[in-house]
Amino acid sequence: KAGVTQTPRYLIKTRGQQVTLSCSPISGHRSVSWYQQTPGQGLQFLFEYFSETQRNKGNFPGRFSGRQFSNSRSEMNVSTLELGDSALYLCASSLEQEAFFGQGTRLTVV
Amino acid sequence: GENVEQHPSTLSVQEGDSAVIKCTYSDSASNYFPWYKQELGKRPQLIIDIRSNVGEKKDQRIAVTLNKTAKHFSLHITETQPEDSAVYFCAAQNAGNMLTFGGGTRLMVKP
Repeated sequence: KAGVTQTPRYLIKTRGQQVTLSCSPISGHRSVSWYQQTPGQGLQFLFEYFSETQRNKGNFPGRFSGRQFSNSRSEMNVSTLELGDSALYLCASSLEQEAFFGQGTRLTVV
Repeated sequence: GENVEQHPSTLSVQEGDSAVIKCTYSDSASNYFPWYKQELGKRPQLIIDIRSNVGEKKDQRIAVTLNKTAKHFSLHITETQPEDSAVYFCAAQNAGNMLTFGGGTRLMVKP
């Protein structure tokens, strides 16, 4: 069974631009969660989608948004990028409680 | 919301010794507690988990204990090996399915 796949693996963007990251969950998993990982802040929860609905939301500004499609694939969008948005963005999919992570997208904002 | 604190932030042990990492959580409704291992440049990998109706769980050299009354849980690694060196994260999941992570522990096992 294929694991969680995130694309792209690396991105370099300029301040003020926007970016879209993609996550394909494990087949059959309906829940997809997104996390921001930085050296100083650990793993910060962004949001969780289940059956195309946002079920949970973390404490991030409205510039961070997401959506989930009918095939459970999820996208995350960050608008008006800031230098502080540079981080590893991880998604995780789950069937019940066990969450499995993708390899992440490393975003660098310059 | 849920708050998870993890200690210590760094831990250095000699190969063959035991390592213990401790976490506390704030939401008494949390019912699922996984542990993840993240090696440098890799994704976090689930290594063991425990549910609120269980006090202890073991899997070979790793074990997790849960004290619901005190709201803390711990990861125990026995007979540590150099390949155990990584960052370990604890997490707590509340009734709403939201997973909150601790700040991580960098474990270094010296050969």
